[in-house]
Amino acid sequence: SYVLTQPPSVSVAPGQTARITCGGNNIGSKSVHWYQQKPGQAPVLVVYDDSDRPSGIPERFSGSNSGNTATLTISRVEAGDEADYYCQVWDSSSDLHYVFGTGTKVTVL
Amino acid sequence: QITLKESGPTLVKPTQTLTLTCTFSGFSLSTSGVGVGWIRQPPGKALEWLALIYWDDDKRYSPSLKSRLTITKDTSKNQVVLTMTNMDPVDTATYYCALGYGDYVGNWGQGTLVTVSS
Repeated sequence: SYVLTQPPSVSVAPGQTARITCGGNNIGSKSVHWYQQKPGQAPVLVVYDDSDRPSGIPERFSGSNSGNTATLTISRVEAGDEADYYCQVWDSSSDLHYVFGTGTKVTVL
Repeated sequence: QITLKESGPTLVKPTQTLTLTCTFSGFSLSTSGVGVGWIRQPPGKALEWLALIYWDDDKRYSPSLKSRLTITKDTSKNQVVLTMTNMDPVDTATYYCALGYGDYVGNWGQGTLVTVSS
């Protein structure tokens, strides 16, 4: 089964840039999607298809994907960005299904 | 406006079968390409995808839980039902219903916490 690995935590000062990685075997060949989850809330899609943003998501959220690593970048970080972030792909290698990453807690210092 | 809402028991005993219902609005599960699925999250842990059912009744299951899961739909009632057999305390989690857009989740329900305990 396909595995997505994320760092457990990332800390960033307000106004700085946070980068959250998502590692997977040849992940660059897949479409990667990112979700933000604040405490006690359901996840929200913030980036889909590697780098597209749903309506209403600030331009500060961007994504990239190449080789074995996908990255979610949050520019000009705000206190409200503090949350857990999950990457996700569609695994078509065996039983077709969604795969989620291990999750990253972003702390705004 | 798309909404999804989960309903079902908040407490089940070990070995029992869990039945959860997702009631949705704002879209139709008879529309080509549409899929509704279930995702769970144990307290303090990561998201885990469970199952997905498409407009054409195609069904997909988590490989690790496939033997315990059944997903069905009632298009006329705008509902999707998930059953999970042989519940165990490790299955304690918040269970989310979600609308799939191709290979990602576009909309989520609020989630329902299910505790497995005797």
